[in-house]
Amino acid sequence: GAVVSQHPSRVICKSGTSVKIECRSLDFQATTMFWYRQFPKQSLMLMATSNEGSKATYEQGVEKDKFLINHASLTLSTLTVTSAHPEDSSFYICSASIVQKGSYGGDTQYFGPGTRLTVL
Amino acid sequence: QQQVKQSPQSLIVQKGGISIINCAYENTAFDYFPWYQQFPGKGPALLIAIRPDVSEKKEGRFTISFNKSAKQFSLHIMDSQPGDSATYFCAASIGGGSTLGRLYFGRGTQLTVWP
Repeated sequence: GAVVSQHPSRVICKSGTSVKIECRSLDFQATTMFWYRQFPKQSLMLMATSNEGSKATYEQGVEKDKFLINHASLTLSTLTVTSAHPEDSSFYICSASIVQKGSYGGDTQYFGPGTRLTVL
Repeated sequence: QQQVKQSPQSLIVQKGGISIINCAYENTAFDYFPWYQQFPGKGPALLIAIRPDVSEKKEGRFTISFNKSAKQFSLHIMDSQPGDSATYFCAASIGGGSTLGRLYFGRGTQLTVWP
């Protein structure tokens, strides 16, 4: 259980175009989904947190008009990179959290397989 | 400011040996400490996690040791295998509140297990 999928797994696009990445929780409902960016041999950088039916909360320094996040349902969140440029090339990873019932502490996050974006 | 500090950055262990990765944190509000394993080109996979009401948790060859007073926790991989070669990330989060379960990651440890 607790499977998160992403589509596409890799995408190559021309500079100036927009790219949409989908993140789905396949066997559970996720109230909260997270979007990360990861550069080679580096840690995960949180870009934004999204809750179903509400606007995403972006981390400092992340352009919300460039990285559009839509959390349309409890199983689907999308990240759209608008007017992509070569510097947006990166590995984008989403995660979805499951609320831990009956115990204190943070929710367990399960990660998708990631999307490799290359902007030419 | 790095909320969770992880060491070492890289680790080379012989097959059958013990791999130890350490993490430290400052924020005493953290109450959930997961470890993730990531292979190249893949997303992180939850390996094992601990909450501060216990000092140790073991799952197969993987053990988390947690020292609340020292604000440190570590991952021990017993009988390390070449298939364990991956990048390992420790993380911490705060349940509920405005942080919405946000994970704070360490910088990662690249583990190489030699056959």
